[in-house]
Amino acid sequence: ETGVTQSPTHLIKTRGQQVTLRCSSQSGHNTVSWYQQALGQGPQFIFQYYREEENGRGNFPPRFSGLQFPNYSSELNVNALELDDSALYLCASSSVNRGWGTEAFFGQGTRLTVV
Amino acid sequence: GENVGLHLPTLSVQEGDNSIINCAYSNSASDYFIWYKQESGKGPQFIIDIRSNMDKRQGQRVTVLLNKTVKHLSLQIAATQPGDSAVYFCAEYTNAGNMLTFGGGTRLMVKP
Repeated sequence: ETGVTQSPTHLIKTRGQQVTLRCSSQSGHNTVSWYQQALGQGPQFIFQYYREEENGRGNFPPRFSGLQFPNYSSELNVNALELDDSALYLCASSSVNRGWGTEAFFGQGTRLTVV
Repeated sequence: GENVGLHLPTLSVQEGDNSIINCAYSNSASDYFIWYKQESGKGPQFIIDIRSNMDKRQGQRVTVLLNKTVKHLSLQIAATQPGDSAVYFCAEYTNAGNMLTFGGGTRLMVKP
């Protein structure tokens, strides 16, 4: 167990709907990163949040947005869902003061299916 | 754009043998290289990392080798066990970008 928890574990949505995914970070971690993992592929970086602000973004459209709260937990919001958004969404927590490597942990992911 | 890739999509080994998983990368500015293990239904699990100024790092039953000349990374698993069966990803981390770039993964299958 990594201490990073994501909810829900599975979700089915209809194309065009909106979805919110949640992540609670590891104790002592102040940074949360979100990744999208399509079936059979490696995770793709969506964005990172530090001190409640976006601190880096990958090649994802603006309908992917996020929030980080004072307790360092985070939300990923996706608007106007498309079929290609079906994937495993992973949250990783880390401490910006310690860099990455051994200090970063992934949650178990949320499996989103868009129909 | 720059990316991290893997040479072999599937690797099948006999229990007790050593496994070697390879990875090529293209971003010479990366600060860390990391190997993750991902079992079905779970998130990536950190195995071992290596800084860009190192050539080799050893952990428990695992060794990572970094060859910056040819931009190649490898993960060696000694005495492979059935519990090692999973998909393995190499990833590179750049402090400037605050992001991990993952390769496509190699599935390791351990035969009893």
